[in-house]
Amino acid sequence: AQSVTQLDSQVPVFEEAPVELRCNYSSSVSVYLFWYVQYPNQGLQLLLKYLSGSTLVKGINGFEAEFNKSQTSFHLRKPSVHISDTAEYFCAVSDQDSGNTGKLIFGQGTTLQVKP
Amino acid sequence: GAGVSQSPSNKVTEKGKDVELRCDPISGHTALYWYRQSLGQGLEFLIYFQGNSAPDKSGLPSDRFSAERTGGSVSTLTIQRTQQEDSAVYLCASSLIGGAENTEAFFGQGTRLTVV
Repeated sequence: AQSVTQLDSQVPVFEEAPVELRCNYSSSVSVYLFWYVQYPNQGLQLLLKYLSGSTLVKGINGFEAEFNKSQTSFHLRKPSVHISDTAEYFCAVSDQDSGNTGKLIFGQGTTLQVKP
Repeated sequence: GAGVSQSPSNKVTEKGKDVELRCDPISGHTALYWYRQSLGQGLEFLIYFQGNSAPDKSGLPSDRFSAERTGGSVSTLTIQRTQQEDSAVYLCASSLIGGAENTEAFFGQGTRLTVV
């Protein structure tokens, strides 16, 4: 079984400041890792994913994340945020053994609030 | 279609009534997923369809919940004898191939179900 913990429920930050959204996971098997973003009244959109290879993954909208196997973490970062980044962010994992990247276990979400 | 389409976007129903939620996946996507997003439970996997294989129903919370996928395309999630705790946003997602790497699950905008 897998579980995902997003350590911060809300992260307030000023525009153009850097931000880090933290994600830790627990799993008895190898996992794929994902970050999704949900804008108000919309569905989920994939920001980035780690399947294999380089542990630093770059995604859309200037976001990146680093997979740290020893710390079982997959923190999301952006060097300079914009007002438009205000949204809910979800970290998720899927079972690598199944190869199914759509059957996901999600964290509870982090609300990023970007202030002018 | 261009994306995953869900209907209705909002549904208010009385406790004890049955409801049907519809999902129209991206054309050609063989895998289809249902998730539930609620305040108390976050995002939960409900059920997964892949081609003609038996669906993975491991996330359905009770026998009041069922889903069908006709002709490998449109899916209907049915909740019988609705309860107030069923109030949530029901999200549908589809992907090109459910069991392969380098596929992404695309999400619809969801159906907001309110049981009164």
